[in-house]
Amino acid sequence: DIQLTQSPASLSASPDEIVTITCQASQDIGSSLLWYQQKAGKSPQLLIYSATILADGVPSRFSGSRFGTQYSLKISRLQVEDIGTYYCLQVSSSPLTFGSGTKLEIK
Amino acid sequence: EVQLQESGPGLVKPSQSLSLTCSVTGYSITSNYWGWIRKFPGNKMEWMGYISYSGNTNYNPSLKSRISITRDTSKNQFFLQLNSVTTEDTATYYCARNARGFDYWGQGVMVTVSS
Repeated sequence: DIQLTQSPASLSASPDEIVTITCQASQDIGSSLLWYQQKAGKSPQLLIYSATILADGVPSRFSGSRFGTQYSLKISRLQVEDIGTYYCLQVSSSPLTFGSGTKLEIK
Repeated sequence: EVQLQESGPGLVKPSQSLSLTCSVTGYSITSNYWGWIRKFPGNKMEWMGYISYSGNTNYNPSLKSRISITRDTSKNQFFLQLNSVTTEDTATYYCARNARGFDYWGQGVMVTVSS
């Protein structure tokens, strides 16, 4: 199975700060990585697919990047409504696997 | 608009079967892929499997022979059955459409396995 090592497990940042979350894949998955945001009591919302493509309706302050097998989600200017848990998901090969999640809090 | 809604019992006894239904509106399940994902207490997420537009299935090997995903195209529903459940299967279960990744999700149903 492909392992996704996600970091950090949690972070606290102030509004307008830049926040970066990373996922390291255990092998080459190309661009087959997605990012999700999950708010408390809600289902996950797709933010980024194909590693770098912004999903419909997602604010432009979210962006995804890839460097080899390391993938990053960046929030350029953190907003209060960005609180939640973020997950990466690889869809390169079965079984599909998720990162362990990053809990984002606002200072 | 694509909408998914899970339904099923919230409490299942150990060794019994867990059965959930995902009802889809606004899109035909004869297109794309349709999956089940669960989130455990403590936030770990697990992909369980999917059924394709043609009815083919693909399951997470971690669930071995316990899982079955089927569908009823006349009702635009697909189903999850997980056999021989234990307390380790306590989780929130989601159904989702898999187009460019899982782009539409149900609201989730919490299932507790307890005697």
